[in-house]
Amino acid sequence: QVQLQESGPGLVKPSETLSLTCTVSGGSISGYYWSWIRQPPGKGLEWIGYIYYSGSTDYSPSLKSRVTISVDTSKNQFSLKLTSVTAADTATYYCARNPGYSHGYAHDYWGQGILVTVSS
Amino acid sequence: EVVLTQSPGTLSLSPGERATLSCRTSQSISSNYLAWYQQKPGQAPRLLIYGASRRATDIPDRFSGSGSGTDFTLTISRLEPEDFAVYYCQQYGGSPPWTFGQGTKVEIK
Repeated sequence: QVQLQESGPGLVKPSETLSLTCTVSGGSISGYYWSWIRQPPGKGLEWIGYIYYSGSTDYSPSLKSRVTISVDTSKNQFSLKLTSVTAADTATYYCARNPGYSHGYAHDYWGQGILVTVSS
Repeated sequence: EVVLTQSPGTLSLSPGERATLSCRTSQSISSNYLAWYQQKPGQAPRLLIYGASRRATDIPDRFSGSGSGTDFTLTISRLEPEDFAVYYCQQYGGSPPWTFGQGTKVEIK
């Protein structure tokens, strides 16, 4: 059974960098797309970006200037960095797996989510 | 950007009733790339339907999806107590490649 687990600080100061890691267990990181998706409290889902296991990436245009996603296949992990955070970046951050065309580019496995609060 | 508009915002129904949720896209998309998720409070979203009509693994057959072009529907044939939740549609394609609807809450009447 594939499992994803987000880890990182739950509190980040304004203007600093949010850094999260997603550890994949029960399956390989190879062959899949891996996304970061966030959800502000009481609101809907926002896709942040993805990385393919080979290292290619794409980001949401609204966040592109502040986001970097990287992958470490040896550790079965991928990571998110979001710079210059403000209170508007307060959200639950999810990592998710996407099998690509075989599943219509739907996200089939999700981490439990990690709440990150931006506050001084 | 492909914008997804879900309706209604809230659906108040009783267990055993039929639920019909709508998702409209701002431009025509391939039905291969429309998915539905269920989210319960404090939990991550769970994939229900992909390819507009294909049930994901272990999803009961009371959940069905349909539609094409710009109009898509998620139907729950007979609501069970565990089905009361928020439902999101998601599309793939364009820039950004993935966008979500704002969600429909199915609540107990």
